[in-house]
Amino acid sequence: AQKVTQAQTEISVVEKEDVTLDCVYETRDTTYYLFWYKQPPSGELVFLIRRNSFDEQNEISGRYSWNFQKSTSSFNFTITASQVVDSAVYFCALFMDTGRRALTFGSGTRLQVQP
Amino acid sequence: DVKVTQSSRYLVKRTGEKVFLECVQDMDHENMFWYRQDPGLGLRLIYFSYDVKMKEKGDIPEGYSVSREKKERFSLILESASTNQTSMYLCASSPHHRGFYGYTFGSGTRLTVV
Repeated sequence: AQKVTQAQTEISVVEKEDVTLDCVYETRDTTYYLFWYKQPPSGELVFLIRRNSFDEQNEISGRYSWNFQKSTSSFNFTITASQVVDSAVYFCALFMDTGRRALTFGSGTRLQVQP
Repeated sequence: DVKVTQSSRYLVKRTGEKVFLECVQDMDHENMFWYRQDPGLGLRLIYFSYDVKMKEKGDIPEGYSVSREKKERFSLILESASTNQTSMYLCASSPHHRGFYGYTFGSGTRLTVV
C-alpha cells in the first residue's frame, strides 16, 4: 500500500528565512510520481512540481527547490528567503503507475510566514 | 479560463438531507476524482471515475455515491447527510494517457451539515 507522511503539521518562520518542508513516502512500485501542491487561503490547489521515480536530479525554480532521495524515500521542499505570499498549506502526493491510478496525499504542512 | 468548476463554494444542509455536489470540467479529461479535505488528515479519496458510467471506490466511500452520465460532469451524492460529513470537498480531473502529469482541481465546496 502507498502512504505519504508529512510530519510537520505547522511551521512558522519570519520573512527571509529559509524553510524546508519534509515529505516521506512509501511504495513498493518502481515506477511512481511525486508531487507538491500549494493551497493558498483561497482554497484552490496549485501544482508546483512533478518528479518521476527515475529522475533523482534535484530541481530549482526561483526560490523553490526540491530534494528527491530514493535511498530515504524522501522528497523535501525548500523555500529560500521566504515571503509572506508563501503562507499556505503545502501537500506532498504520490502517484503509482499500477493498480489504483489516483493521487495519495500527505496530511499537509501549514506554513506561516510572518512579516 | 475556468477549467474545473464546482457548482457551490459554500453549502449548508440539514442532517438527513440528500445532497448533490456537482463538478464540471471543460478539458475533455477522462479521469475525475472526489476528495474530502479535513484538518490534519489531508485529502482523502472518496470516489473516482475513469470514464463515463464508470466509478471506483476510494478510501472513504461510506455514505457517498457518485454519478457520471456525461464525460464532463461528475457528481458526488450524500445519500443522507450527517454532521461528520461537514468538510471541504474537492473535485479534480486528469487526462488518461501514459505517465501522469497531475490533476487540475476545482476551487472546492465547503459543506456544513447542521
